[in-house]
Amino acid sequence: GQNIDQPTEMTATEGAIVQINCTYQTSGFNGLFWYQQHAGEAPTFLSYNVLDGLEEKGRFSSFLSRSKGYSYLLLKELQMKDSASYLCAVMDSNYQLIWGAGTKLIIKP
Amino acid sequence: EADIYQTPRYLVIGTGKKITLECSQTMGHDKMYWYQQDPGMELHLIHYSYGVNSTEKGDLSSESTVSRIRTEHFPLTLESARPSHTSQYLCASSETSGEVNEQFFGPGTRLTVL
Repeated sequence: GQNIDQPTEMTATEGAIVQINCTYQTSGFNGLFWYQQHAGEAPTFLSYNVLDGLEEKGRFSSFLSRSKGYSYLLLKELQMKDSASYLCAVMDSNYQLIWGAGTKLIIKP
Repeated sequence: EADIYQTPRYLVIGTGKKITLECSQTMGHDKMYWYQQDPGMELHLIHYSYGVNSTEKGDLSSESTVSRIRTEHFPLTLESARPSHTSQYLCASSETSGEVNEQFFGPGTRLTVL
């Protein structure tokens, strides 16, 4: 079967750095996406990795290792508005997105 | 402004009713999707479409149907709603020819079946 694993919940302090991990086992791989979802709202796109390595976009970076089936999302200089769920999704060989359950990130002052 | 819209945003109905959830996008995307999401859970793909007159079932059997008569419109119909259909329904669309082809989501419809 196909599955995406992420921690259910993480807590961090405002101004700090947090790393959210994602491991996956899918039939084929055509890219990995990270989305942010605030409570009661729709997911919004954050980043995309298809090759190994680090992609940086402002305060957010995403890393991919295809051989390990592993990715992480790194959030720097945390702000209270970063409190949200972060969803990892992998595009499989049929170009369908397989979604993780998301990591709820709680930011404390 | 290019966007994706869903109506209604909230709906409370009785068991056995037929309902249609509307989704429209103004981005000219060929691909459109319907997802179901319960609180704290992953998104489950219900239906998807790669273009006009193309519809496919996803991995979740939700006893619903879709149609794609126009590129911009992708409605979801529940013929006979049941309490187990209570959930958040998210519509999304994406390009087919870009480098990333990320999915853009509508605001969702929160459905409660009594």
